[in-house]
Amino acid sequence: LAKTTQPISMDSYEGQEVNITCSHNNIATNDYITWYQQFPSQGPRFIIQGYKTKVTNEVASLFIPADRKSSTLSLPRVSLSDTAVYYCLVGDMGGTGGFKTIFGAGTRLFVKA
Amino acid sequence: NAGVTQTPKFQVLKTGQSMTLQCAQDMNHEYMSWYRQDPGMGLRLIHYSVGAGITDQGEVPNGYNVSRSTTEDFPLRLLSAAPSQTSVYFCASSYHAGPETSGYTFGSGTRLTVV
Repeated sequence: LAKTTQPISMDSYEGQEVNITCSHNNIATNDYITWYQQFPSQGPRFIIQGYKTKVTNEVASLFIPADRKSSTLSLPRVSLSDTAVYYCLVGDMGGTGGFKTIFGAGTRLFVKA
Repeated sequence: NAGVTQTPKFQVLKTGQSMTLQCAQDMNHEYMSWYRQDPGMGLRLIHYSVGAGITDQGEVPNGYNVSRSTTEDFPLRLLSAAPSQTSVYFCASSYHAGPETSGYTFGSGTRLTVV
């Protein structure tokens, strides 16, 4: 199983760019890297997914170096509503040939005014 | 389009009781899974399914059973509830069962307390 390591928590201020790095040294060739956001009392919400280099959508950017042993989620100009837990996931093929998603502990981002 | 629907939203059980947590999706997704989330913790995978008739165990399967008789439904059964199963349970689904997905859609969760 590809295990991920993220900072437990981060603080930021409104309007700043936030970068959350995830380490996944044992990532496999077929694995994709996916990030989710979770607010209290809600299920996680998909943010972005990538395999290598850089991916950008309307919410965030994902930077993946050539060795793919880490990835960085970048949130531009955060607001108070971005206060949440952010999870980095790396794909794994389960026993029936399926996809077993393993969540780590996540990073608690707290955005201050 | 309701997405992923979980019922009930809240449940209190006595130790030793059994119950079924329901999960239904109307997006024709192949992949469905169940997670539990304990206070202040991340999500742990209980069971998952890559299609009707196919299920497999996740990280913490003991004490839980699943079946997938239809594409839409993926119920989670607690055989004999224990206080250690007090948690919030999330069901998720995805169109694709492979590593590359468009993301998993999660339900709103079932908060279960076992006394």
